[in-house]
Amino acid sequence: TQLLEQSPQFLSIQEGENLTVYCNSSSVFSSLQWYRQEPGEGPVLLVTVVTGGEVKKLKRLTFQFGDARKDSSLHITAAQTGDTGLYLCAGAHNAGNMLTFGGGTRLMVKP
Amino acid sequence: ETGVTQTPRHLVMGMTNKKSLKCEQHLGHNAMYWYKQSAKKPLELMFVYSLEERVENNSVPSRFSPECPNSSHLFLHLHTLQPEDSALYLCASSQVIGSGNTIYFGEGSWLTVV
Repeated sequence: TQLLEQSPQFLSIQEGENLTVYCNSSSVFSSLQWYRQEPGEGPVLLVTVVTGGEVKKLKRLTFQFGDARKDSSLHITAAQTGDTGLYLCAGAHNAGNMLTFGGGTRLMVKP
Repeated sequence: ETGVTQTPRHLVMGMTNKKSLKCEQHLGHNAMYWYKQSAKKPLELMFVYSLEERVENNSVPSRFSPECPNSSHLFLHLHTLQPEDSALYLCASSQVIGSGNTIYFGEGSWLTVV
């Protein structure tokens, strides 16, 4: 079983602060996805990264895929209260269409 | 609107009841999934229907029974559930293209077993 470990599990910060969430595995993934899930809703896709070393930016969010395609990070600049939610990473393997999900990082941004 | 619609959004059922969760995708995808999300546990893949083949997680109890009559509709039939089955059940779909794919989730069905 390939595991994806996310850290930290919980993060509470003030509005305006920066933060980084990590997603690590001992397995190589063909692609990795980040989702945000708000209470009572399903996860919503933020980004998919496929190339080792790839960096993608989505407004204040910066996603990086490790060179070896085993890890990824999500950096949020100047966090806002609307960024509050559960952030999930999920990796896909060449074996098919199964995603392995991390345990999630629960972020709370306080005003 | 994610293109994946789940009903009901909330369901309370007794342990002897039979109920079903329904999912419909409007994205033209060729794969559909059921995931279970419990507190303090990673998202757990329960069943996949992909290109008309079914793949299941062997750890899922037989009291959960999926049905996929066509590529746009997916059901999860529930029978004699246990309180520990209370969770958020998420349906998802994707277009399988080679290795890896992007999955789109529905808003989930909150299930409480009493």
